[in-house]
Amino acid sequence: EDQVTQSPEALRLQEGESSSLNCSYTVSGLRGLFWYRQDPGKGPEFLFTLYSAGEEKEKERLKATLTKKESFLHITAPKPEDSATYLCAVLETSGSRLTFGEGTQLTVNP
Amino acid sequence: SAVISQKPSRDICQRGTSLTIQCQVDSQVTMMFWYRQQPGQSLTLIATANQGSEATYESGFVIDKFPISRPNLTFSTLTVSNMSPEDSSIYLCSVVMATQAFFGQGTRLTVV
Repeated sequence: EDQVTQSPEALRLQEGESSSLNCSYTVSGLRGLFWYRQDPGKGPEFLFTLYSAGEEKEKERLKATLTKKESFLHITAPKPEDSATYLCAVLETSGSRLTFGEGTQLTVNP
Repeated sequence: SAVISQKPSRDICQRGTSLTIQCQVDSQVTMMFWYRQQPGQSLTLIATANQGSEATYESGFVIDKFPISRPNLTFSTLTVSNMSPEDSSIYLCSVVMATQAFFGQGTRLTVV
């Protein structure tokens, strides 16, 4: 059974204080690993898809990396508007359903 | 990419009643997915809706409680039946296109 574990559950940073969020996964075959941002009361907003170990993608202050067992979402010099819950999900090669982690609630204080 | 229109965006319902949530996609997709997100928790898959066949439900979810329709390749509905306060959640529809997954805005349901 696919498993996705995110850590930490919650993270509080000062504006400009860089950090990383972790997503560990167990799947029989990875078709894609997704990162989403979710603001309260809204649906997940797509950030990145990573397909293979060693792959990296960047968007503004966010950078996602992937290994065979985990993915990191690096946040460089965060701003208060980066405060949200960040969700990781995996898509297995044999299926079309996503398995989500529990999310990391990020708060960036000014 | 896909644009998904989901409605209603929110509703407050009396216990014992039912609510139907609609999801319209701007592209034809084979499968649509319905998720539930309870307060403070991540997304849990309710069922997968295929056009022309019965939906496939995940463990813990049954058709009598969450009937789903999928009349064509761009539209689906999820009904939350005989609601109780425990059904208060955000309900989301999703599609996977190639290897990207897109979500509707969500329906925030409060059962009183």
